Amino acid sequence: LAKTTQPISMDSYEGQEVNITCSHNNIATNDYITWYQQFPSQGPRFIIQGYKTKVTNEVASLFIPADRKSSTLSLPRVSLSDTAVYYCLVGDGVTGGGNKLTFGTGTQLKVEL
Amino acid sequence: NAGVTQTPKFQVLKTGQSMTLQCAQDMNHNSMYWYRQDPGMGLRLIYYSASEGTTDKGEVPNGYNVSRLNKREFSLRLESAAPSQTSVYFCASSELKGSDYGYTFGSGTRLTVV
Repeated sequence: LAKTTQPISMDSYEGQEVNITCSHNNIATNDYITWYQQFPSQGPRFIIQGYKTKVTNEVASLFIPADRKSSTLSLPRVSLSDTAVYYCLVGDGVTGGGNKLTFGTGTQLKVEL
Repeated sequence: NAGVTQTPKFQVLKTGQSMTLQCAQDMNHNSMYWYRQDPGMGLRLIYYSASEGTTDKGEVPNGYNVSRLNKREFSLRLESAAPSQTSVYFCASSELKGSDYGYTFGSGTRLTVV
């Protein structure tokens, strides 16, 4: 399983765009990149997933360069309710054994007024 | 649609006691997982079940056993609880649908062993 590295914490203000970058130098050909969000006392929640280039949904955008050794989660116009821990995960889940994704310590995003 | 349901939500055990954490999902997912999360830490995989009838060890399986009772239910058992097992336990399920293999997590069981 590819190991990921992301900043421990980030601070922002309401209305700003937040970009969280994750490095995954050993990503394999079959691996996808998935981001989760976790609020205190809750289980993680799936945000977005991608393989290459750019993916956008109603919550966030995910930018993946051509070499796929890193990815950036972009949260547009954050609000106080976006304060949470964000996890970057890499894995394939295709070759049996279930989708054994590994969670690191994540990035604690704090949004202030 | 309840998603993933865990019971109980809170539990206090004495050292040496046993208990079973229950997990059920109603999304017809094949794969189910048990994670633990210690304060300020990420999630660590205890056991997983890729499909009904199979279970495998994750990163931190010692002190735990699991049972995949059927496709819906996956239980985690602590045979002799230890203070080091004080943690929040999360159950999750997933299904592989092309590239979509996001996990759905339960709300967690907060376990304290004294």
